Amino acid sequence: GAVVSQHPSWVICKSGTSVKIECRSLDFQATTMFWYRQFPKQSLMLMATSNEGSKATYEQGVEKDKFLINHASLTLSTLTVTSAHPEDSSFYICSAKNRLIYSNQPQHFGDGTRLSIL
Amino acid sequence: DAKTTQPNSMESNEEEPVHLPCNHSTISGTDYIHWYRQLPSQGPEYVIHGLTSNVNNRMASLAIAEDRKSSTLILHRATLRDAAVYYCILRENSGGGADGLTFGKGTHLIIQP
Repeated sequence: GAVVSQHPSWVICKSGTSVKIECRSLDFQATTMFWYRQFPKQSLMLMATSNEGSKATYEQGVEKDKFLINHASLTLSTLTVTSAHPEDSSFYICSAKNRLIYSNQPQHFGDGTRLSIL
Repeated sequence: DAKTTQPNSMESNEEEPVHLPCNHSTISGTDYIHWYRQLPSQGPEYVIHGLTSNVNNRMASLAIAEDRKSSTLILHRATLRDAAVYYCILRENSGGGADGLTFGKGTHLIIQP
């Protein structure tokens, strides 16, 4: 149980393209999803918190107009990297929190999306 | 979140136990100790978590010091598939886990056949 699916697994595109990444909770409902970014040989960094039906909360230094987050349903959040440039190339990972379980529960992660901008 | 300190890397042999240490001297009374691991080119995977008492599950055991300023993740019989980066993370109990996780550098576990 508690499966989070990310799509696509990897994407290569030209500079200036916008790229959409989907994060789905397959067997539970998630009021909150999180988006992380991981550069090579570095740790994961939280980018933003996605809340179903409301605006996302971005971490300091993350441009909200560049990384558009939509959490339109309890099982789907999307991250759109707008006008992507080579410096946006990274491993993007989402995680989700089961809305039915309160307290200190584990987060369930997707397998990540490797984004390469040429 | 309070800070954790882990060795950069550790090496062990296959089928032997592995003890991964984590120091968290500034832990507060309501912080839970979580462990995640990340296999190459994958998202992190939850391993175990605890508050004060030692915990066991099918993946590992978590031994928590009496003063809670350190903990040890124990893999009882390491396999090659356990080679990963292991993260020790403190999480406040308030908010129902509504905050994202703060990852440190973790410990890169190398398993020798």
